[in-house]
Amino acid sequence: DTGVSQDPRHKITKRGQNVTFRCDPISEHNRLYWYRQTLGQGPEFLTYFQNEAQLEKSRLLSDRFSAERPKGSFSTLEIQRTEQGDSAMYLCASSLGLAGEETQYFGPGTRLLVL
Amino acid sequence: QKEVEQDPGPLSVPEGAIVSLNCTYSNSAFQYFMWYRQYSRKGPELLMYTYSSGNKEDGRFTAQVDKSSKYISLFIRDSQPSDSATYLCAMSRSGGYQKVTFGTGTKLQVIP
Repeated sequence: DTGVSQDPRHKITKRGQNVTFRCDPISEHNRLYWYRQTLGQGPEFLTYFQNEAQLEKSRLLSDRFSAERPKGSFSTLEIQRTEQGDSAMYLCASSLGLAGEETQYFGPGTRLLVL
Repeated sequence: QKEVEQDPGPLSVPEGAIVSLNCTYSNSAFQYFMWYRQYSRKGPELLMYTYSSGNKEDGRFTAQVDKSSKYISLFIRDSQPSDSATYLCAMSRSGGYQKVTFGTGTKLQVIP
């Protein structure tokens, strides 16, 4: 499968614990995005990487959230001291990053439940 | 007021019907318009991608964009039970990287 992959697909954790999610984009894509989606809502933008550089962060991304993309390949999203309000689907997307080729392709998501 | 408004449905139609899904938006800077399909517990899958105003057809799907009215539509002809999913409209500004703003999604059920 050459699409965007995410791991794990599901995560259940207790409030206050730290969690980390991984995203592997399509191999030639240099742009990578994280979104959060809650039940009955569309995905909301969290952050964006151009290669290894994190170029934009949403106000939704509190200090407890950190994202990295070392070497411009895979990306990780860490949530520290999880809260019940963090329960959501976390989606990763990637795009080629060329003019006219900005279509974002999404992974299957990581569903987080904070108890 | 949200930048992108979409009726959440649910919308139930009989198999073979023509389905019309719509979104309105408030930001005139949006230039790229997309429709994604999302099955339950899956990531969104791109269906249609349109730049600026006009129509685009792909098989049973037709996307329309009316920038003067800030209104976009997706039509599905000869709807099938496999079309049952949530349909998300999405849009972004022109130039460079594109932060995509999504609607809330319309849940569609096609009844055999």
